[in-house]
Amino acid sequence: QSVLTQPPSVSGAPGQRVTISCTGGSSNLGADYDVNWYQQLPGTAPRLLIYANTNRPSGVPDRFSGSKSATSASLAISGLQAEDEADYYCQSYDSSLSGYVFGTGTQVTVL
Amino acid sequence: QVQLQESGPGLVKSSETLSLTCSVSGYSINRGYYWGWIRQSPGQGLEWIGSMYHNGNTYHNPSLRSRVSISVDTSNNQISLKLSSVTAADTAVYYCARMDCSGGGCYVSHYYMDVWGKGTTVTVSS
Repeated sequence: QSVLTQPPSVSGAPGQRVTISCTGGSSNLGADYDVNWYQQLPGTAPRLLIYANTNRPSGVPDRFSGSKSATSASLAISGLQAEDEADYYCQSYDSSLSGYVFGTGTQVTVL
Repeated sequence: QVQLQESGPGLVKSSETLSLTCSVSGYSINRGYYWGWIRQSPGQGLEWIGSMYHNGNTYHNPSLRSRVSISVDTSNNQISLKLSSVTAADTAVYYCARMDCSGGGCYVSHYYMDVWGKGTTVTVSS
């Protein structure tokens, strides 16, 4: 059972903006630990999308942006494209578990 | 360009030990970074298994700690995972990943998985 909760699915039309929430608690996001985001295209390995709350690795389009506040974080995808159809996971560190935790995952569908 | 490739038996019998290897190319393990293992059960989310620094410091998921062993072979530039007493619940795609950190002080809580292997599927049979 994951300690980071995400909505199971979000959808949007091409060009729209969608956001994915990641809700944690006092031993992870609320403890000021960073949140990272990964994109997993169908049948492939996860790919780092956002690290340390707001930073994009080289090669990640600026359509993707991250934010964090208290015990929650968000990933926003603006100008949604068909190629953005994937599963998205948040990840952080949890002091109670003394380890890394992933969110429950969100499937993004482009209508 | 760093690349990671997992390998190992695709089928393991229940109660036996699962053994996987992650071969790293384009980077020498003993130069640094943490190296981790993550798995994904069929149709499920991601689960961190454990991580190891090149100097031997190791962290394991508490739910798996008693069954997990992670080691580094710097001469062959490989990271290994052993998971003992497997059951059907251990059936999953297993990924290895390089772990980098942000900021100046790299505490264990600052790390994230920046490079992933393609994963290898392991099925536990009865």
